[in-house]
Amino acid sequence: DGGITQSPKYLFRKEGQNVTLSCEQNLNHDAMYWYRQDPGQGLRLIYYSQIVNDFQKGDIAEGYSVSREKKESFPLTVTSAQKNPTAFYLCASSIGVEQPQHFGDGTRLSIL
Amino acid sequence: EDQVTQSPEALRLQEGESSSLNCSYTVSGLRGLFWYRQDPGKGPEFLFTLYSAGEEKEKERLKATLTKKESFLHITAPKPEDSATYLCAVRPNTGGFKTIFGAGTRLFVKA
Repeated sequence: DGGITQSPKYLFRKEGQNVTLSCEQNLNHDAMYWYRQDPGQGLRLIYYSQIVNDFQKGDIAEGYSVSREKKESFPLTVTSAQKNPTAFYLCASSIGVEQPQHFGDGTRLSIL
Repeated sequence: EDQVTQSPEALRLQEGESSSLNCSYTVSGLRGLFWYRQDPGKGPEFLFTLYSAGEEKEKERLKATLTKKESFLHITAPKPEDSATYLCAVRPNTGGFKTIFGAGTRLFVKA
């Protein structure tokens, strides 16, 4: 079945450490997105990518970085510059800008 | 400023008790409005897309409607398995991939 796979499901970060969240899709979608979800708030866009080797900052990109070397993959790195990284991170993809986004099952990041 | 507000924050229903969830939006032109269902610890699952005022979509016990300022998700004779958080998202007509999500309505259906 086609879908979006995020890994790991749970991740713990130590002080000063960078961590990378994986997102893979086999839906053949061009666009991919990373969101952050905090309790009581709507999803907030971190980064998005319309095509391979191109990506754009969202509303809360500071302290995060991404790459898009393959159509299927869009990993997110949470750097030590992100001072409040504890959240639920969601990866999504869509065929195009008019179409709905399809989501993975998320990665929950916590601080050790 | 583009904004999406969902109400109520939480809704408790008895099985079979129909109700509606509200999504109010203020955007500079609407390209599309999306409804999602999210279970605890999972990613949102796509339900409906609405593009223009007057449009309606149905799926099982759910029906989504759209006006120029708000959308409703009507739940008819809900069952316990309908318990979830329902998210509304709006894509404004300002170009690009920007999508604004509401904070969601948590629905609890008791047997």
